[in-house]
Amino acid sequence: EVQLLESGGGLVQPGGSLRLSCAASGFIFSSYAMSWVRQAPGKGLEWVSTISGSGGRTYSADSVKGRFTISRDNSKNTLYLQMNILRAEDTAIYYCAKDRQWLPEFFFDYWGQGTLVTVSS
Amino acid sequence: DIQMTQSPSSLSASVGDRVTITCRASQDISNYLAWFQQKPGKAPKSLIYAASSLQSGVPSKFSGSGSGTDFTLTISSLQPEDFATYYCQQYNSYPPTFGQGTKVEIK
Repeated sequence: EVQLLESGGGLVQPGGSLRLSCAASGFIFSSYAMSWVRQAPGKGLEWVSTISGSGGRTYSADSVKGRFTISRDNSKNTLYLQMNILRAEDTAIYYCAKDRQWLPEFFFDYWGQGTLVTVSS
Repeated sequence: DIQMTQSPSSLSASVGDRVTITCRASQDISNYLAWFQQKPGKAPKSLIYAASSLQSGVPSKFSGSGSGTDFTLTISSLQPEDFATYYCQQYNSYPPTFGQGTKVEIK
């Protein structure tokens, strides 16, 4: 059974940093691209960032480019999102999501339960 | 970026009703269209990919159709557990984009 468990969310001041983690199990982690997708309170879904199975290729939305960095440790079956220079508009639930293949297809077949990031002074 | 527009934004329906949700892309996305279901306080769940392929474990009351720019999600007989918000998403062009959601409520 595919399981994705996010952690690391919390309250942070504008301009601050936070690192999210996503622990994966139930599948061969290194064989699949992985992504972060967020949802602001009461709003829809927004793709944030994606990384290939090897970690060699990354993709990020313009809204976070230069501030957020996606990475993975295949020896630990863990996905990360380093978030810097956080803004109020980054407040959202952040979901970890699995792709269907090694190179990103950008279809997210399994999702974690999410972790809430609140950016406020 | 490709814009995805769902209609309606919300609907009220009764248990047993047949429900159809529409998703329109701002340009041709072939069949690279997925549908997700999200219940309050829960993560999205994938239902359909490639416009009409059912994700593993999803009941056959859900079906999808369409290609190019116009797509539909149909629930053949609405059950209490189907009341949720549904999102479409295109993955034909980078960046991937979602529709704004359709909330299905109990009449």
